[in-house]
Amino acid sequence: AQSVTQPDIHITVSEGASLELRCNYSYGATPYLFWYVQSPGQGLQLLLKYFSGDTLVQGIKGFEAEFKRSQSSFNLRKPSVHWSDAAEYFCGGSSNTGKLIFGQGTTLQVKP
Amino acid sequence: ETGVTQTPRHLVMGMTNKKSLKCEQHLGHNAMYWYKQSAKKPLELMFVYNFKEQTENNSVPSRFSPECPNSSHLFLHLHTLQPEDSALYLCASSPEGQDNEQFFGPGTRLTVL
Repeated sequence: AQSVTQPDIHITVSEGASLELRCNYSYGATPYLFWYVQSPGQGLQLLLKYFSGDTLVQGIKGFEAEFKRSQSSFNLRKPSVHWSDAAEYFCGGSSNTGKLIFGQGTTLQVKP
Repeated sequence: ETGVTQTPRHLVMGMTNKKSLKCEQHLGHNAMYWYKQSAKKPLELMFVYNFKEQTENNSVPSRFSPECPNSSHLFLHLHTLQPEDSALYLCASSPEGQDNEQFFGPGTRLTVL
């Protein structure tokens, strides 16, 4: 069955530290992959997406993600976290004929 | 107004009430979606409309009734809800199909008493 898994429910990092949020997928073929961010009380905003091509994808707000087929992963990274990055992050995947499936989300807390 | 808008932003209703959630997109998209987001649960896709036709109903109880009069508007009619239906209801749209990026509205926070 198709699935997207975010192993970390909650992550805390210090402001200025680097960040990596994990995402694993299970699809028959390479899916389309997305990372969204949700601030409290808000909808989801797209950070970046991967369809094909370069496996390192740049997104908004200084985020990037790397697609690794061998590991079935699409981890989100940021070199230096800002307090405003505190939010919930969702990884999602879809096939070209299927629906968009989200992981359970990772809540990011940023310590001053 | 740009993007995807949802009204109301907050709704409190009793179990015997009938209410409707409204979603409007100003992006020229052809697909629209309803999602349910409950605490500590993944986002749940409820309904999908492509070109005003419902293409997916994810085993949603009949107390939730969607309506898509045109590609820009999507409604979710609610009646005889249960307290466990309390959640954030998110609307999204995309150019076509679900392999394209979806744009989300801010959601309606629903509380069923």
